[in-house]
Amino acid sequence: AQSVTQLDSQVPVFEEAPVELRCNYSSSVSVYLFWYVQYPNQGLQLLLKYLSGSTLVKGINGFEAEFNKSQTSFHLRKPSVHISDTAEYFCAVRSITDKLIFGTGTRLQVFP
Amino acid sequence: ETGVTQSPTHLIKTRGQQVTLRCSSQSGHNTVSWYQQALGQGPQFIFQYYREEENGRGNFPPRFSGLQFPNYSSELNVNALELDDSALYLCASSLGTGLNTGELFFGEGSRLTVL
Repeated sequence: AQSVTQLDSQVPVFEEAPVELRCNYSSSVSVYLFWYVQYPNQGLQLLLKYLSGSTLVKGINGFEAEFNKSQTSFHLRKPSVHISDTAEYFCAVRSITDKLIFGTGTRLQVFP
Repeated sequence: ETGVTQSPTHLIKTRGQQVTLRCSSQSGHNTVSWYQQALGQGPQFIFQYYREEENGRGNFPPRFSGLQFPNYSSELNVNALELDDSALYLCASSLGTGLNTGELFFGEGSRLTVL
């Protein structure tokens, strides 16, 4: 069975500092991996996705993630965060049956 | 191009009642998936509809049911509501299924409170 673990429930960081949100997955088959962002009282917005090819994936709003098969990780990074990046971030894996399996989320809080 | 729209945005029900949530998929999308997001949790897959047929179901009891219409809009029905059904219900639309599934586009959700 596939699963996703987000290691940090909350990540506080100061504005303009770098940030890394950690995600580990388990899967016995090829994976498609995703990061979504959820702003307060809104739905989910796709940040980036890994389907195949280059292991470094660039997304919107300056975010990027690196697929590491040996460590079964897909950590999300941004070199310099803004106040507007404050949100909930979800890592997800898509199963062979097509459904998305989400982690429990990481709350990124950016302080001025 | 219109996005995914859901209605109602908020509603309150009491235990034992029934609720219907609605979703209009993004233009051109033929697949709709429903997710339940409890407070402080990640979304959990309920089921998916493709061309009016259920095409996959998560670990939810039969009192969670759905429909997809010829225009690809969809409904989620929940009977005999329980307190634990309180959650944000998210609809997502996409084009195709399986390996050919395109990106999922989510609506803003319907927040259900069961008292």
